[in-house]
Amino acid sequence: GAVVSQHPSWVICKSGTSVKIECRSLDFQATTMFWYRQFPKQSLMLMATSNEGSKATYEQGVEKDKFLINHASLTLSTLTVTSAHPEDSSFYICSASGTPGPQHFGDGTRLSIL
Amino acid sequence: RKEVEQDPGPFNVPEGATVAFNCTYSNSASQSFFWYRQDCRKEPKLLMSVYSSGNEDGRFTAQLNRASQYISLLIRDSKLSDSATYLCVVQLSGGSYIPTFGRGTSLIVHP
Repeated sequence: GAVVSQHPSWVICKSGTSVKIECRSLDFQATTMFWYRQFPKQSLMLMATSNEGSKATYEQGVEKDKFLINHASLTLSTLTVTSAHPEDSSFYICSASGTPGPQHFGDGTRLSIL
Repeated sequence: RKEVEQDPGPFNVPEGATVAFNCTYSNSASQSFFWYRQDCRKEPKLLMSVYSSGNEDGRFTAQLNRASQYISLLIRDSKLSDSATYLCVVQLSGGSYIPTFGRGTSLIVHP
């Protein structure tokens, strides 16, 4: 079945560091990928829609200069949390879909900013 | 009104019980429906797609009611391992349409 790989799975960094998270579709091409954030005991919140070869579409309230998204190929999207601060600590998850069908999620990245 | 609504629960049931969750959606143009399961501190995993005619996978049965705009998930003979959050997902159509998630229904199955 469709597999989405996300890396790294766990990051612990000092405040002010920029962190890059990769999301890869391993056995299908994804023109669109989605990035989510989930705080403890809360629901998934869509941050942005990553579009291959064009700018990402950000949800209201999500700072595009803070969360940089690059979707340079049909199998890779990256999310960079720039100058991360403790309040950015969260569980970040990507998802992608091949032909019309369900989203498949990466394993998620647990980000902890000290 | 939220686009996709679920009762957050928790539903607390004994092993062997039958439990059902509903999920309502507001956009009548929605075409694709799914149930996901999310365990604590893990990513959501696809449980099953929901088809117009209803579908069953082992102890799990999913149904779609387009007229009333809801989908349901029935779990028979609950196991301890069924304890998780169940997410309802609705999409307009195609892979590039943004999936809309419910906030999830928490299920706790106890001995």
